[in-house]
Amino acid sequence: DAGVIQSPRHEVTEMGQEVTLRCKPISGHDYLFWYRQTMMRGLELLIYFNNNVPIDDSGMPEDRFSAKMPNASFSTLKIQPSEPRDSAVYFCASSSRATNEKLFFGSGTQLSVL
Amino acid sequence: GNSVTQMEGPVTLSEEAFLTINCTYTATGYPSLFWYVQYPGEGLQLLLKATKADDKGSNKGFEATYRKETTSFHLEKGSVQVSDSAVYFCALSNAGGTSYGKLTFGQGTILTVHP
Repeated sequence: DAGVIQSPRHEVTEMGQEVTLRCKPISGHDYLFWYRQTMMRGLELLIYFNNNVPIDDSGMPEDRFSAKMPNASFSTLKIQPSEPRDSAVYFCASSSRATNEKLFFGSGTQLSVL
Repeated sequence: GNSVTQMEGPVTLSEEAFLTINCTYTATGYPSLFWYVQYPGEGLQLLLKATKADDKGSNKGFEATYRKETTSFHLEKGSVQVSDSAVYFCALSNAGGTSYGKLTFGQGTILTVHP
């Protein structure tokens, strides 16, 4: 199994630009989570999906952030327009009831907004 | 709401020293408790878990016991190795319904082990 795949691994962009982060969950997993990790705030849940439907987006910072899951094998997190305070590592994770609450994390996208 | 509090880091130890990382939680009902580990440049990996009071989770020499009376889930290892250097996260989940799999994480504790 290839695990959770995220792309790009690193992203450097300028303030005001649109940023799109991508995630491919493990096949068969029906839960998908987007987390953000910063030194100041630690690991924060942004949004999660079940069967491609957003269940809880209360962690999404503001309207500049949006997430989609058009099918079971792909999800995107978009920031438009980006700001320097969005600089962080963004993790995608997936799971299913069969994994018994164990989350499988991708390697993350290191985002730097200049 | 749910919350997890971990001991302040970073923690620096010599190889073969005893490790304790404290974790306490606040939650309603009967949460499941987890320790995740993050090695440099990687995503988090599940280290161990416990799903009910007095359960002990263990893996790779690490142990943690679910203490409901003290709302704690402290991580211990009797003899650490340089390869244990990583960031350790305590987490909880109040499973059920649409909240299944939604974890609340502590702030993480950086562990550095020197030879």
